[in-house]
Amino acid sequence: DTGVSQDPRHKITKRGQNVTFRCDPISEHNRLYWYRQTLGQGPEFLTYFQNEAQLEKSRLLSDRFSAERPKGSFSTLEIQRTEQGDSAMYLCASSWGLAGDSNTGELFFGEGSRLTVL
Amino acid sequence: AQTVTQSQPEMSVQEAETVTLSCTYDTSENNYYLFWYKQPPSRQMILVIRQEAYKQQNATENRFSVNFQKAAKSFSLKISDSQLGDTAMYFCAFMKLYNDMRFGAGTRLTVKP
Repeated sequence: DTGVSQDPRHKITKRGQNVTFRCDPISEHNRLYWYRQTLGQGPEFLTYFQNEAQLEKSRLLSDRFSAERPKGSFSTLEIQRTEQGDSAMYLCASSWGLAGDSNTGELFFGEGSRLTVL
Repeated sequence: AQTVTQSQPEMSVQEAETVTLSCTYDTSENNYYLFWYKQPPSRQMILVIRQEAYKQQNATENRFSVNFQKAAKSFSLKISDSQLGDTAMYFCAFMKLYNDMRFGAGTRLTVKP
């Protein structure tokens, strides 16, 4: 396993268009997280899944944002009717979500998908 | 809600010297994890060091160590023998057990030759 992968790495779109990002977590991890990071800031939590269940959503995740993890493996984050304020790096991370020695709490991050909305 | 505060937006240190990055957090939880993550320029976040709140002993990882003060809700990172490769953004993070992780705004560290 090569770690968490995200696609695409860069996306430039016009305001009003829809975009979708994909995240493939580390295969044995059952938790998957989405964060948004703007330049010079820390990652802001958006949502996370345990297997296919979406357990928590931030109020940052407006109605234009939707995330899915249909089979408990990869996840998609869709942004509809993009706005310039959506320009950011979208980070995906995965981890063990169960108690036990294998759960150190550590999140393993992908390299991110950078969105630019013109 | 948990908040994480990093009060030093930028810091610099000479190569081979020691630097300490500060972090405070606010929570009503008793059991939790604390982390320091490193984000080199244009590269992914990687874990530097972690600390379980129930452990009184401060975590160490080679040149990296923490000063965990639970009562004061303080979690600072000390980097000894700084190297040029330590130049990066450093994020302090808090996690309730088996929950989501919240990050501070980060400290940009520059190691000067």
